[in-house]
Amino acid sequence: AQSVTQPDIHITVSEGASLELRCNYSYGATPYLFWYVQSPGQGLQLLLKYFSGDTLVQGIKGFEAEFKRSQSSFNLRKPSVHWSDAAEYFCAVGGGDYKLSFGAGTTVTVRA
Amino acid sequence: GAVVSQHPSWVICKSGTSVKIECRSLDFQATTMFWYRQFPKQSLMLMATSNEGSKATYEQGVEKDKFLINHASLTLSTLTVTSAHPEDSSFYICSARRTGIRAEAFFGQGTRLTVV
Repeated sequence: AQSVTQPDIHITVSEGASLELRCNYSYGATPYLFWYVQSPGQGLQLLLKYFSGDTLVQGIKGFEAEFKRSQSSFNLRKPSVHWSDAAEYFCAVGGGDYKLSFGAGTTVTVRA
Repeated sequence: GAVVSQHPSWVICKSGTSVKIECRSLDFQATTMFWYRQFPKQSLMLMATSNEGSKATYEQGVEKDKFLINHASLTLSTLTVTSAHPEDSSFYICSARRTGIRAEAFFGQGTRLTVV
């Protein structure tokens, strides 16, 4: 069975500060890993994905994530957050069939 | 990136009626579409996978007679919530992908269903 754990329900960060969102996954084979962002009442936007190769993945909006197989983790980072980064962030895992399992999400609040 | 459009964005219906939600891939042919459900402040749960021209595959615990999925063309999949009840109120999101080993799936903007 595949599953995703996002340990942090809510994170508050100051504008300009760094951000790290944690994600741990369980998957029986080589996983496909994703980070999505969702604004209130909206669909999902893909930030980045990992299929294979370089374990440090660059995404849109200045985000990056690092795949660590030994820790079953795929943490998302951004060096300097902007107020527009306030949103809900979801980590997801799946295989080549793209049937994704999502984590519970982390709400990011950015304070001025 | 490719565009997936859902319609309507929100709908209110009376208990006992049925409501249809459309998911369209606007600029690519989607051989596979997925339907997810999201409860308030919760994550997305995969409901079913539909492949063009064949019956949908439902996840465990999802009532296929209640959530009818049709994927009649390569650009359109529909989800019909039959005999809706207040507990069916939720945010429904579709995603669509084309054929290919690493073809990405693109998400629609979601449909907010409220059953009164």
